[in-house]
Amino acid sequence: ETGVTQTPRHLVMGMTNKKSLKCEQHLGHNAMYWYKQSAKKPLELMFVYNFKEQTENNSVPSRFSPECPNSSHLFLHLHTLQPEDSALYLCASSQERAGGPWVTQYFGPGTRLTVL
Amino acid sequence: DAKTTQPPSMDCAEGRAANLPCNHSTISGNEYVYWYRQIHSQGPQYIIHGLKNNETNEMASLIITEDRKSSTLILPHATLRDTAVYYCIVRVVGGAQKLVFGQGTRLTINP
Repeated sequence: ETGVTQTPRHLVMGMTNKKSLKCEQHLGHNAMYWYKQSAKKPLELMFVYNFKEQTENNSVPSRFSPECPNSSHLFLHLHTLQPEDSALYLCASSQERAGGPWVTQYFGPGTRLTVL
Repeated sequence: DAKTTQPPSMDCAEGRAANLPCNHSTISGNEYVYWYRQIHSQGPQYIIHGLKNNETNEMASLIITEDRKSSTLILPHATLRDTAVYYCIVRVVGGAQKLVFGQGTRLTINP
């Protein structure tokens, strides 16, 4: 238990569906992240939110739409996905402070997404 | 961020020390070395980090060479639960921590 929860843990959706992934952190952190892990590929950073503001969009297609309503919650809204978007989607959080090196990211268990 | 090179896989006997190497020959002076691991179908877990000096915590030890071009993660008494993919990452200080994961080393602990 890392203090970062993700729901649902598993999701199967069609290409025309709209769904959302939810992440919640109970650590009081100020930064949250979405990562994607496809089969046999390294984790890829998708989005970064710092103090609820998006600070990084790693060339992610617009069919993925993040939302960070407050520093504890992060959503990933999905629409018109493709089968190649099937992957493990991981959320993480960290407490960022200027000049501080010993910042670790705490990851949630992930949502296993299958797009049919 | 500096690129890292790790062996794709390693085996270790249960109860023995597991030594995982990482090369980061282009590391710059303000980059730290971080180690994470990912047990199958779970999110990555932070293990340890360091800059110049060797570091030890309850999970592992990190040995960084004097020229900082390579490091070794040591799990002193490996257990079956240590079977995972281990990632070595180098990262500058400051800003949101954009961790760049490589392929890592798949460590298998054998009974």
